Parts: sequence; structure tokens; C-alpha cells
Amino acid sequence: EAGVTQFPSHSVIEKGQTVTLRCDPISGHDNLYWYRRVMGKEIKFLLHFVKESKQDESGMPNNRFLAERTGGTYSTLKVQPAELEDSGVYFCASSHPGQTYGYTFGSGTRLTVV
Amino acid sequence: GENVEQHPSTLSVQEGDSAVIKCTYSDSASNYFPWYKQELGKGPQLIIDIRSNVGEKKDQRIAVTLNKTAKHFSLHITETQPEDSAVYFCAASMWSNYQLIWGAGTKLIIKP
Repeated sequence: EAGVTQFPSHSVIEKGQTVTLRCDPISGHDNLYWYRRVMGKEIKFLLHFVKESKQDESGMPNNRFLAERTGGTYSTLKVQPAELEDSGVYFCASSHPGQTYGYTFGSGTRLTVV
Repeated sequence: GENVEQHPSTLSVQEGDSAVIKCTYSDSASNYFPWYKQELGKGPQLIIDIRSNVGEKKDQRIAVTLNKTAKHFSLHITETQPEDSAVYFCAASMWSNYQLIWGAGTKLIIKP
């Protein structure tokens, strides 16, 4: 089966601009997660979708971040306006319904805000 | 909330030797401890995990040990090979909670 696909793989934007990251989960995976690793630190949870619904968005840093999952398929994560501290690697992961762990990660999007 | 500390941040070992990475956690309610391997240009991949009702788990050259009393767990890789070079992450969670709390990662370098 195809894995979790994220794009772009890299994005360099200026402070104040908008960036949209996209994640295509594995087909049939209702659970979709966004995680972020900032500046070589620990990976941190951002949010969790079950199909098109946000199950938990407690990790979203602030209202400059907006995540959507249209029709329960792919998901987007928009940062508007981007700040320097938003730089990092954004990972998406997905899993089967009812599968709590062992989810499959995408390769990540490396975001650099200059 | 839960906090996970991971050491060392970088580990360099001779090919064929063993490597040990250690993590400590703060929340005694945590009962699930996975380890992930991240190779260059790829996302983290689950390599082994352990639940709190087990003290040790092995899978070929990889093993994980858990000390619930001391709240620490370790990853052991024996007979290291060049393909073991990667960043390794530990994590902790409660089994009922999908949210993983991650360590900061260990860059493992296997010297030929």
C-alpha cells in the first residue's frame, strides 16, 4: 500500500507569509495526526482527526495554525502569518480505525521561516 | 503533565559493538513506551514497544527494558551495523491515550 505522503518536502518562506502543508494518509486510515519537531527538540503532538472531525487539537500552538481534513481524506495545515519560531519539521501520521499506536508517519515537511 | 528525557543526544559506536539509549519519564501513570527510528529524509518508524506489564522485550538485535520503579526505559542494539545509523526517539503514553510524549532524540552513528 502507498504510504503517508506529505508535500512539500521543504518550504522556505518569509516571516508574515502564509504556508499550507498537505498530508495524504494511507487509504482507509480514519485517524490522522499532525506532529511537529522544532529546532532538534522533541516531537510534539499538534492535533488528531478522526475522519473529518477534529478529535483533539490541544497541541495547536496558537490561532495562526489551522488544520482541515476535507471529506475525511487528505489534510492541510495552514500557518498564517508565519513566525520565525514556526520553523521545524511537520510530520503527519495515520492509522486504522481503532488503532491507537503504531501509526505510519510521512516523511515530513521541513518549514523554514526567515 | 508527562515529561520524557532522553540521553545521550549523540552516540557514536564502533560497528559490531552495542549501543544503549536511555529515557526517563515523570508520570507513573504512563504504561506504553515505544521506540522510533528516523532515517535521513524519512519519517519516524516504530521499531519496538513495551507495555508496563512487561520488563523486557526483544526483537532480533533490538531489545527494550523497562524499570517502572525508577521510571526509566532503555533501548539496546547489539552487533550494530551501518544501517543502524539514524535518530532514535523514545516516547511514553498511557495506553488509553493516543498522544505520545517524545524524548528529544539520539543521533546514533555507527563507525566502520
